Amino acid sequence: QGQVVQSGAEVKKPGASVKVSCKASGYTFTSYGISWVRQAPGQGLEWMGWIATYTGHTKYTQRFQGRVTMTTDTSTSTAYMELRSLRSDDTAVYYCARAPASDEYSYMDVWGKGTTVTVSS
Amino acid sequence: DIVMTQSPDSLAVSLGERATINCKSSQSVLYSSSSKNYLAWYQQRPGQPPKLLIYWASTREFGVPDRFSGSGSGTDFTLTISSLQAEDVAVYYCQQYYNIPITFGPGTKVDIK
Repeated sequence: QGQVVQSGAEVKKPGASVKVSCKASGYTFTSYGISWVRQAPGQGLEWMGWIATYTGHTKYTQRFQGRVTMTTDTSTSTAYMELRSLRSDDTAVYYCARAPASDEYSYMDVWGKGTTVTVSS
Repeated sequence: DIVMTQSPDSLAVSLGERATINCKSSQSVLYSSSSKNYLAWYQQRPGQPPKLLIYWASTREFGVPDRFSGSGSGTDFTLTISSLQAEDVAVYYCQQYYNIPITFGPGTKVDIK
């Protein structure tokens, strides 16, 4: 079935950057994409973008363009999401999730437990 | 962007009774060439990540109990829990993956009456 394990909680100051990792196991990493979804406290789910793990091709939501970078390291089956110029409203739980489709138009079938990112001065 | 709406915002159902959640998209998510609706449903229990229940609007994910079912096409969809169990207390989200950005509904909270 597979699983993805995310890095631990982060506390950052406004203006800083954060890089969250997502290590896959139990399946062929390059056969699936990875989507990143965030959830602000008490709020719903917001899709941030997707990366094709085999090619590195990415698709980002417009509102994060220029602030987010998604990458992968196929040698360690790990995906990364870096968010820069953090603001207080970036405080959220960040999830990585496996995307079964061959392109960005995909549901997500395996989710990490989430990484809490707190932005506070 | 495709806007997803859900109704009701919350509902309370007695154990063993049926729960019905509706989801509407601002434009069709039916891809005509494949006749597939790009619509998924997720369950999020308190303090946990979302869990995939249904994809392609009506295909149940492996291991999901058959009391969960999805229906609908085009712009109108329904998630039905045929006989509510205590472990079904959660927030349920619909999601379209027809267009980028992928978007989710605001969620429907299900409780026990």
